[in-house]
Amino acid sequence: DQQVKQNSPSLSVQEGRISILNCDYTNSMFDYFLWYKKYPAEGPTFLISISSIKDKNEDGRFTVFLNKSAKHLSLHIVPSQPGDSAVYFCAALTGANNLFFGTGTRLTVIP
Amino acid sequence: GAVVSQHPSWVICKSGTSVKIECRSLDFQATTMFWYRQFPKQSLMLMATSNEGSKATYEQGVEKDKFLINHASLTLSTLTVTSAHPEDSSFYICSARKDSSNWQFFGPGTRLTVL
Repeated sequence: DQQVKQNSPSLSVQEGRISILNCDYTNSMFDYFLWYKKYPAEGPTFLISISSIKDKNEDGRFTVFLNKSAKHLSLHIVPSQPGDSAVYFCAALTGANNLFFGTGTRLTVIP
Repeated sequence: GAVVSQHPSWVICKSGTSVKIECRSLDFQATTMFWYRQFPKQSLMLMATSNEGSKATYEQGVEKDKFLINHASLTLSTLTVTSAHPEDSSFYICSARKDSSNWQFFGPGTRLTVL
């Protein structure tokens, strides 16, 4: 049972535009959410996180929004750059500090 | 920063043999390490949680006798795939968590191909 879902397997965006990656979760006990970026044949690298007590966290070009009532979070990248092309995983953390990952969204930024 | 390494990065083995993958936290002590497996175009699936000095906790559906995990020190955890079969071919990723930290630092992964 997939508790964290990313319904869009891929996304293509023009360079300079905004990329919006979406993630839905089912478990209301998740209290921390993270986004990871992954290049092929590499491990994930941490990007940005948000606590369940917040609804927005911004770090440079990356902003994560959390809508707890909808059990939905999104990652906004603006402006998008070709180097942002990668697979993005959202993940949710339980109180026991175990990560549950979504299935990933492959972002392609077109120059 | 927090650096986690894995060795080897790529291994090919014959069916029926065993393969050991090492995960090291290079600049911090990790009381907890995690092992993940990723199939192509799928999410990372947690296999087991490894605590230093104790037995690993395996996720449902993961065979503990097939995937042997040892966390002998605060900087090293090993995953041994015993009697490997072609269906075990996958990308194995470890992560390490610092004390009192909410997130994990991932290794670069090990691609296992079983012929």
